[in-house]
Amino acid sequence: QLQLQESGPGLVKPSETLSLTCSVSGGSISSSSYYWGWIRQPPGKGLEWIGSIYYSGGTYYNPSLKSRVTISGDTSKNQFSLNVRSVTAADTAVYYCARGIGAAQPLDYWGQGTLVTVSS
Amino acid sequence: SYELTQPPSVSVSPGQTASIPCSGEKLGDKNACWYQQKPGQSPVLVIYQDRKRPSGIPERFSGSNSGNTATLTISGTQAMDEADYYCQAWDSSTAVVFGGGTKLTV
Repeated sequence: QLQLQESGPGLVKPSETLSLTCSVSGGSISSSSYYWGWIRQPPGKGLEWIGSIYYSGGTYYNPSLKSRVTISGDTSKNQFSLNVRSVTAADTAVYYCARGIGAAQPLDYWGQGTLVTVSS
Repeated sequence: SYELTQPPSVSVSPGQTASIPCSGEKLGDKNACWYQQKPGQSPVLVIYQDRKRPSGIPERFSGSNSGNTATLTISGTQAMDEADYYCQAWDSSTAVVFGGGTKLTV
């Protein structure tokens, strides 16, 4: 059974960089045709796609966040990571990692999510 | 950028059929999927490729997609189906896009 687990600081100061890692077990991030994505959900609000990394290493980002976001993968650790630069209070959210299938990227496995608060 | 629009809320009586629409330009030309999210939990994929159900999703969940609207239908709605539902599609300009979500009250 595929499992995803987010990890990283729960509190980040404004203007700093938010860094999270998703550890994958029960499957390989190098498996063909899969995307590995990050999604966030501000408290009481809806889902927002941040970006994805393809099994081959290609990346795709939400245009509204592209200038501040980097997603990378580490196949040796079977992990992928998210960096969001220059954060503000608006970046406070539960951050989820998930697996997407094929070009349309329906997300079939999700991590439990981790709350990141941006505050001084 | 591409946008998907959902009604904020839908109400249904137990045992009745709930329909949740999701609208977007030429959405019928794309593959739509749906997620169920209960309070404090991660989203769960309930429909993908417009009408397919992942393993373990009850048959009462079905989907359709034509023109500018995709619809999630829940037949014989149960109290356990009360949740937030999100549609999602992929567009060449925005990549992955979510609808704003619909709160289903049973």
